[in-house]
Amino acid sequence: GAVVSQHPSRVICKSGTSVKIECRSLDFQATTMFWYRQFPKQSLMLMATSNEGSKATYEQGVEKDKFLINHASLTLSTLTVTSAHPEDSSFYICSAPRRGGNEQFFGPGTRLTVL
Amino acid sequence: GQNIDQPTEMTATEGAIVQINCTYQTSGFNGLFWYQQHAGEAPTFLSYNVLDGLEEKGRFSSFLSRSKGYSYLLLKELQMKDSASYLCAVRSGFSGGYNKLIFGAGTRLAVHP
Repeated sequence: GAVVSQHPSRVICKSGTSVKIECRSLDFQATTMFWYRQFPKQSLMLMATSNEGSKATYEQGVEKDKFLINHASLTLSTLTVTSAHPEDSSFYICSAPRRGGNEQFFGPGTRLTVL
Repeated sequence: GQNIDQPTEMTATEGAIVQINCTYQTSGFNGLFWYQQHAGEAPTFLSYNVLDGLEEKGRFSSFLSRSKGYSYLLLKELQMKDSASYLCAVRSGFSGGYNKLIFGAGTRLAVHP
């Protein structure tokens, strides 16, 4: 199956700093990628849809100025959590659908801890 | 609105069969997915249903009834490694050229000897 990678896998940062998370499709091109957030023992909540070459589409309640998304190429989308606070501590997961397919391929996730 | 319900937790015995139910009410429907997720890991794809009926894949089967807004995942010959969360997700809505996935809260399955 297709492979999606994320980097870093874990990050610990101080409150007020910004953190960048990368999502890469390794063996296919992804014009669209999805970013999810998952709190402990809860399900995945869609944050935004990343579109190559255009602005991201954010879900209701997600601050676009806090969660900056850049989809600069057909294989890379980045999520930057700006001025992170402890409540932003979560598991962030990206996914990418392969064109013509039904399945979304998920990255391994990034565990963010804000102190 | 969008609503996907599944039981929070289930327990079962190794070698047994377990059925995890999922009911949904969404503004649109273009398929239902089941994913398995181990703690701290990303979800992995198990099954996809878009038409009514049963899809079988090895030890796992998934059923869909669109008129009832209902699906179940059936796991046979349970193994200890099947202990995980099982996520029901409906493809609904449209964003960026692809339908979005709306996830249920997940069912944590514990398999014991």
